[in-house]
Amino acid sequence: RKEVEQDPGPFNVPEGATVAFNCTYSNSASQSFFWYRQDCRKEPKLLMSVYSSGNEDGRFTAQLNRASQYISLLIRDSKLSDSATYLCVVNTGDTGRRALTFGSGTRLQVQP
Amino acid sequence: GAGVSQSPSNKVTEKGKDVELRCDPISGHTALYWYRQRLGQGLEFLIYFQGNSAPDKSGLPSDRFSAERTGESVSTLTIQRTQQEDSAVYLCASSLGLALIHTDTQYFGPGTRLTVL
Repeated sequence: RKEVEQDPGPFNVPEGATVAFNCTYSNSASQSFFWYRQDCRKEPKLLMSVYSSGNEDGRFTAQLNRASQYISLLIRDSKLSDSATYLCVVNTGDTGRRALTFGSGTRLQVQP
Repeated sequence: GAGVSQSPSNKVTEKGKDVELRCDPISGHTALYWYRQRLGQGLEFLIYFQGNSAPDKSGLPSDRFSAERTGESVSTLTIQRTQQEDSAVYLCASSLGLALIHTDTQYFGPGTRLTVL
């Protein structure tokens, strides 16, 4: 079983739509959670960290459910520029273990 | 300000040859990471440096892979006797090395696309 699982998509949505991505992680010791964005043939870039209480950044809302080991990302009012692959990322927080564990990503295509 | 840079951007090599990939982290970043991304897959962690020591090498797939770092600057990832399954994009990231991982954002370089024929 993969440590971080995501629906690969693609999600094809019209501009202005609301879209939600889900992610599950297997290591209950995971402490830090992130969503990264990766454009085609580019490097990943941090979109937002995910906090236990849930957090919002403009049109983006992230939620964490530790009991179910589940993370979500909601994008409201989708823009063409949101088209990318969204990577769910976790870290166990063990001393010295700073590596990030990445999901394979969910591809989003926003259409005009 | 300059981001993380990597060279070469592309490398094509023959099976059995050795390759060296270079990473220049953001100035002042004490932590440096190497990841690998195979086509259509997520990133796989290879190794983490804090300064010039490597507290976590758990992701290196075999003893053909090694990495070193000079002080808190340049790092080199070396793959000896390359195999076709080594073909991937090799990504380097750096961070300030803050104690709280949650706040210690990793910034990625553009990667080196390695193709082993």
